[in-house]
Amino acid sequence: LAKTTQPISMDSYEGQEVNITCSHNNIATNDYITWYQQFPSQGPRFIIQGYKTKVTNEVASLFIPADRKSSTLSLPRVSLSDTAVYYCLVGIYNTDKLIFGTGTRLQVFP
Amino acid sequence: GAVVSQHPSWVICKSGTSVKIECRSLDFQATTMFWYRQFPKQSLMLMATSNEGSKATYEQGVEKDKFLINHASLTLSTLTVTSAHPEDSSFYICSANPGLGNNEQFFGPGTRLTVL
Repeated sequence: LAKTTQPISMDSYEGQEVNITCSHNNIATNDYITWYQQFPSQGPRFIIQGYKTKVTNEVASLFIPADRKSSTLSLPRVSLSDTAVYYCLVGIYNTDKLIFGTGTRLQVFP
Repeated sequence: GAVVSQHPSWVICKSGTSVKIECRSLDFQATTMFWYRQFPKQSLMLMATSNEGSKATYEQGVEKDKFLINHASLTLSTLTVTSAHPEDSSFYICSANPGLGNNEQFFGPGTRLTVL
């Protein structure tokens, strides 16, 4: 299972775009890249998933370069409610167990 | 989307007692469920993989006799913390995948266990 590396924490202000980068140098050919969000005392919640290039949904964008050794989660115009821990994981989720890294603690200030 | 529930949401027990935590997939069937433990300010740590109709697979360092897992049906897995001690106090979270081409793990809301 690929190990991921993320910044421990990030600060931002409301209305700004936040980009969180994750390194996964040993990603396997069949692995997907998935980002989860976790609020205190809650289970993680799926944000976005991708395999290559760019994926966008209603809450975020995921940028994956051609070598797939890293990925960037982009949160447009963050609000206070986006304060949470964001985890980047790689794997094949219909079969794989998930190994969580440290995650990135995002703090959004007014 | 698929929903995973856990019961109870929190529990307080005395040291030495056993506590059972349920994880249910409400609108899908799951042959595999996962159990995690999370201490304050730390990441989720995978404890075991629960397999319907067979024995669970435990991660290294997790005592199988301490954390009993039963996956008796396609919608229910239970984690029993036997002879709980204060160091077992933690946030326990389960997850499941609906399969059928769905590549997302769905997580339960978690269970806060406090052992006095």
